[in-house]
Amino acid sequence: GQNIDQPTEMTATEGAIVQINCTYQTSGFNGLFWYQQHAGEAPTFLSYNVLDGLEEKGRFSSFLSRSKGYSYLLLKELQMKDSASYLCAARDSNYQLIWGAGTKLIIKP
Amino acid sequence: ETGVTQTPRHLVMGMTNKKSLKCEQHLGHNAMYWYKQSAKKPLELMFVYNFKEQTENNSVPSRFSPECPNSSHLFLHLHTLQPEDSALYLCASSQEGGRGADTQYFGPGTRLTVL
Repeated sequence: GQNIDQPTEMTATEGAIVQINCTYQTSGFNGLFWYQQHAGEAPTFLSYNVLDGLEEKGRFSSFLSRSKGYSYLLLKELQMKDSASYLCAARDSNYQLIWGAGTKLIIKP
Repeated sequence: ETGVTQTPRHLVMGMTNKKSLKCEQHLGHNAMYWYKQSAKKPLELMFVYNFKEQTENNSVPSRFSPECPNSSHLFLHLHTLQPEDSALYLCASSQEGGRGADTQYFGPGTRLTVL
C-alpha cells in the first residue's frame, strides 16, 4: 500500500534549527510537497522537490532522496510564528497526492 | 478577493438537515478538489473536478454530493450526515489537475459539526 510517515509532534526553541523528516512509499513517484498549516487555517504551499538534492528558500529548505524514499524540511532561525503543522505529500504514478498526517511543531521561547 | 474562498467557515447541523458548502477560486485554475481533514489523520481526497468534469470519487458516501457548475465554483451538498462526518472540509484548486509540478492551493476550510 501507499504510505507517508512523519513524526506526530516536535518541539524546538526559538532561534534554533529543526529538521522534520518524511518517508514515503508510493506506486511510482512524481514529486514531493511540503505544506504549512496553522491551526484553523488553510494549508499553504512551502516547497516541491522532484529531483534529488536540497532546495533552499529563505529560512526553509527541503531535501529529497528518491532512492531512499526520504525527504526532510529544514527550518532555520526559528520564530514563534513557525509554530504550525507541517504536511508532507508525495505524488504517485497516477498523479494522486498521498498525504502524511502532519507534524505539529511547537516553538518555545 | 484573491485565492480560494470557502463559505461558511463554521457549520453546525443535525443529522436530518440539508446544507451546502461553497468554494470559489480566483486563480484561473482548471481543477478543483474537496478534502476531508480529521484530527491527526492525513487529508482524505473526496472529489476532483478537471474542467468541470468529475475525474475522481474516492468511494465517498452518497450523503455527500458535489457540484461544479464552472471552473471557478465548487459545491458540496450535504444531507443525512452522521456525527463521524464532523471534520474540517477543505477545498483546493490547481492549474493542471495534477500533472508536473502542479501545486494545489487551499481555502481556509469549513469546520463542520454534525449533532
